[in-house]
Amino acid sequence: DAGITQSPRHKVTETGTPVTLRCHQTENHRYMYWYRQDPGHGLRLIHYSYGVKDTDKGEVSDGYSVSRSKTEDFLLTLESATSSQTSVYFCAISEILGRGRSGYTFGSGTRLTVV
Amino acid sequence: AQKITQTQPGMFVQEKEAVTLDCTYDTSDQSYGLFWYKQPSSGEMIFLIYQGSYDEQNATEGRYSLNFQKARKSANLVISASQLGDSAMYFCATDQGSGYSTLTFGKGTMLLVSP
Repeated sequence: DAGITQSPRHKVTETGTPVTLRCHQTENHRYMYWYRQDPGHGLRLIHYSYGVKDTDKGEVSDGYSVSRSKTEDFLLTLESATSSQTSVYFCAISEILGRGRSGYTFGSGTRLTVV
Repeated sequence: AQKITQTQPGMFVQEKEAVTLDCTYDTSDQSYGLFWYKQPSSGEMIFLIYQGSYDEQNATEGRYSLNFQKARKSANLVISASQLGDSAMYFCATDQGSGYSTLTFGKGTMLLVSP
């Protein structure tokens, strides 16, 4: 168990309001990721982090920002939520398992509804 | 850039029969990993099986096996002796296979197992 906790698990917010989702891990993993899942699209990478204060954009980063001030916490912020950001958001970590192989473990997800 | 294609939006299988879920990939990397995840209706992402691009033998994990055909760039998941609990969404994914990297997912296949 990679000890990944996402909060909140569910959130309903109004269009135009800021929203922050939190991902917390307890095992000092260096790499953390934020994905969004939408019907017909699978999971798409929003942002990822490869260390404290080191982040990079993924495939669908517009409208999102991230921060990682501590190894254990990776925050995803929607500065001004829009209805198109209604989705299920997954946090993940990766760890090296040997022979160049990475293992990816996902949190339980946050269901965000923007009304 | 990497791309995963899952051409079967939905599949039906009877209990105790075998089923193959298709996955093709496109990558310019020489080293890469291929992953399958299961997502039941409860929403969590469950890792099933991994195949490295340099692995000569097809991966197996219990009732799951990965039919890896490198020249055809396909990585099909075979589930033997289907069970009702196998009903779920299945995602194929790939990474760069060189230590820390990012996962790229396909759109998924919904598998329904009938009694």
